[in-house]
Amino acid sequence: GAVVSQHPSWVICKSGTSVKIECRSLDFQATTMFWYRQFPKQSLMLMATSNEGSKATYEQGVEKDKFLINHASLTLSTLTVTSAHPEDSSFYICSARENEGAFFGQGTRLTVV
Amino acid sequence: QKEVEQNSGPLSVPEGAIASLNCTYSDRGSQSFFWYRQYSGKSPELIMSIYSNGDKEDGRFTAQLNKASQYVSLLIRDSQPSDSATYLCAVRYNNNDMRFGAGTRLTVKP
Repeated sequence: GAVVSQHPSWVICKSGTSVKIECRSLDFQATTMFWYRQFPKQSLMLMATSNEGSKATYEQGVEKDKFLINHASLTLSTLTVTSAHPEDSSFYICSARENEGAFFGQGTRLTVV
Repeated sequence: QKEVEQNSGPLSVPEGAIASLNCTYSDRGSQSFFWYRQYSGKSPELIMSIYSNGDKEDGRFTAQLNKASQYVSLLIRDSQPSDSATYLCAVRYNNNDMRFGAGTRLTVKP
């Protein structure tokens, strides 16, 4: 299957700082990538759809000014959590789709202290 | 509203038994169906895809699709403790929108 690489796999940051998470499609081009958040023992929650060369589409209730998404190339999308707070601590996962379905990055465990 | 429904479980089966995971979806226009496995603390990984009615087998896994009943299932034969995970059903619609179920937590007891 297709390979999606996400970096970093974990990060600890102080409240008020910003954190950038990268998502790369390694062996295919992805005009669209997806960002999910998952709290412990809960299901995936789609946050936003990242579109190459245009603005991201955010799901209801997700603050676009807090979760900045940039999709500058066909293989890279970034999610920046701005002014992070402890309640932003979660598992963030990116995904890109190919013919055989959606493929996920390894996920990023964010802890805000 | 396009819905994908799964029983959250937990589903517990003894080692060697068949685990049966079920999923229903609401949109008859759905084209593609997928099963993902997610271990605790890890991201989901694709294990099966199915596009037409009937059964599709891959090793110990069999996906079953019934479009008339809007039902897709995953059977795991000879279940192993390493199969213990959350299994996510996903449905892709005509407009390429993709929805995930909440997942069923499976525990295989030695």
